[in-house]
Amino acid sequence: GAGVSQSPSNKVTEKGKDVELRCDPISGHTALYWYRQSLGQGLEFLIYFQGNSAPDKSGLPSDRFSAERTGGSVSTLTIQRTQQEDSAVYLCASSSGRGGPYGYTFGSGTRLTVV
Amino acid sequence: GENVEQHPSTLSVQEGDSAVIKCTYSDSASNYFPWYKQELGKRPQLIIDIRSNVGEKKDQRIAVTLNKTAKHFSLHITETQPEDSAVYFCAAHDRGGSQGNLIFGKGTKLSVKP
Repeated sequence: GAGVSQSPSNKVTEKGKDVELRCDPISGHTALYWYRQSLGQGLEFLIYFQGNSAPDKSGLPSDRFSAERTGGSVSTLTIQRTQQEDSAVYLCASSSGRGGPYGYTFGSGTRLTVV
Repeated sequence: GENVEQHPSTLSVQEGDSAVIKCTYSDSASNYFPWYKQELGKRPQLIIDIRSNVGEKKDQRIAVTLNKTAKHFSLHITETQPEDSAVYFCAAHDRGGSQGNLIFGKGTKLSVKP
């Protein structure tokens, strides 16, 4: 696609429920990144994919968080048993992946609210 | 892994003045340093970047300088305008893993007063 698409744009869920966040990167971009931005805070790295592989999962906050990418395209970030501290904007970015994380393009994010 | 510190957290300037935001990084192997601008309610957008083989890069009113020895880099905005008001993030390339990812500073909220 022309840009990075994320869905849903907003999600309100009850504490303890599971949620899935979707990211559709720019066509042809092999690298895909997930970040979390809490209110008024910076961009916290979660995980990145090169193709379908995730070389670095070090940013996932707990084992309730997981992500996958299939077909070298769409990625899904899953949060199980959501907690109120999971409330944040989840941003996805993609880049061509050639040589490094150059020219990140971000999606508009998914605003997750856990009530 | 990489760690990026950014200062100040907030910055208020008068229209027409210059603004400077500074960042330090920890990993001497980092070689790519972009800056992103995030307007309220919008996605972060790349405004300028620099690689470690140069010391300075300019694009109209925006410039970035890099001091690899000291491991710090700075964003300079001259002749600030109200539309420059936003949150600015610096980042450094964390070279862990395959091709690495970006580690961001905590951001600087710039307010330009008319």
